[in-house]
Formats: sequence, structure tokens, C-alpha cells
Amino acid sequence: DSGVTQTPKHLITATGQRVTLRCSPRSGDLSVYWYQQSLDQGLQFLIQYYNGEERAKGNILERFSAQQFPDLHSELNLSSLELGDSALYFCASSVDRNGYTFGSGTRLTVV
Amino acid sequence: AQKVTQAQTEISVVEKEDVTLDCVYETRDTTYYLFWYKQPPSGELVFLIRRNSFDEQNEISGRYSWNFQKSTSSFNFTITASQVVDSAVYFCALSTNAGKSTFGDGTTLTVKP
Repeated sequence: DSGVTQTPKHLITATGQRVTLRCSPRSGDLSVYWYQQSLDQGLQFLIQYYNGEERAKGNILERFSAQQFPDLHSELNLSSLELGDSALYFCASSVDRNGYTFGSGTRLTVV
Repeated sequence: AQKVTQAQTEISVVEKEDVTLDCVYETRDTTYYLFWYKQPPSGELVFLIRRNSFDEQNEISGRYSWNFQKSTSSFNFTITASQVVDSAVYFCALSTNAGKSTFGDGTTLTVKP
């Protein structure tokens, strides 16, 4: 157990639907990062939050949004899902950017 | 724009061989960070190292070592005396000071017993 918890582990949903992925960072880590890994696009950085505030934005689609709550857990919301959104979504947390701990990922399948 | 190139798609070695994974990057930023990650067959991602652009000192951690050369925009990763457990996909990544990261396509390393 890395200390970073992602739920759910697997998600199957239909096109056009909306899903929420959750990430609980390691205790004491203020930063949360979201990544997408797909066969087509490879690994992509989506977004970073630090202590509740957005810090950096990567290749995140407008249909996607994220937030970090006061208890530091983060949620990634994916809406109007398309087949191409099928991917493994990872979150990671860090305390000082010298070490990053990843969750086991959420595998999203859009059918 | 920034780019990370891992020219070696797949590498296969026999256990105990040394192996070097290449990473070449492009960026216009003067401050940036370079990373290596490991993704074993089980699928999780493991952070290995982060270096900033002002620190060209080579780093060694056990059997792992990293060679950062700004002159050639390279950040290569060497595994000494490889083991079967080193079999994984290895990703090199570049992050700007603004925090946006770009990943290479990964190198699949297979270490045969």
C-alpha cells in the first residue's frame, strides 16, 4: 500500500455519462497530481493541486475538471464521456516535489 | 513547446548485464525538472528520481545511476547488474517551473534470467 488511495479501481460506463474519480493523498502530502495513461496518448499530465488551489494545468480537456477539498482529497470529474476517454487515471501526491507517491490507478472503460 | 524522446522502444538484456536507457529532451525554459518513473508489469507507477536543470551532478542510488548532460539535453538512466525484477516500462519526463509535465513514450526493458 503506497499510502495514496484511488477509488474506484475499475469503472465501466457508457458514452455521454459523467464519472467522478477520487484520490486520497498520503498523510501530510499537500500536492495532488492527476495523470491519464492511454494507448493512444501515452502518459499525460492533467492537473496539479496544492493545498486546495490549482497549481498547474496540463492536457486536461474542458470536459474534465478537478478539485481538491479541505481534507486534501481530490476528485477528477469526467463528463460527456467518449470512447477515447478510456484510460488508466493515476493520481500522485507529494510533500516537497522531491518524492512522488502514486496510487494504483482507476481503470475507466467507456462503452 | 517541450518534448521528451525515448528512442529505445524496447530493450532486452540478460540478467547481470548493465543497461542504459536514453532520454533526450527539448525545452526553451532555463529552469526545468527531469524525472524517471518505472511501471512494472503490475501497472503501478513508481517515481525514481527528480533533478533540476541547475544540478548536473550525476546521481547514484544502489544499482541505479543517472547522467544529466545539459550540453546534449540528455538525462540517461543506467541500471548496473540488471535483475529480472527490473523488467518494466521506464518513462522519462520533463516538467517546467510552471509545473506542466511532458512524458516520453517509454522504454520497455526486459531482463531475462
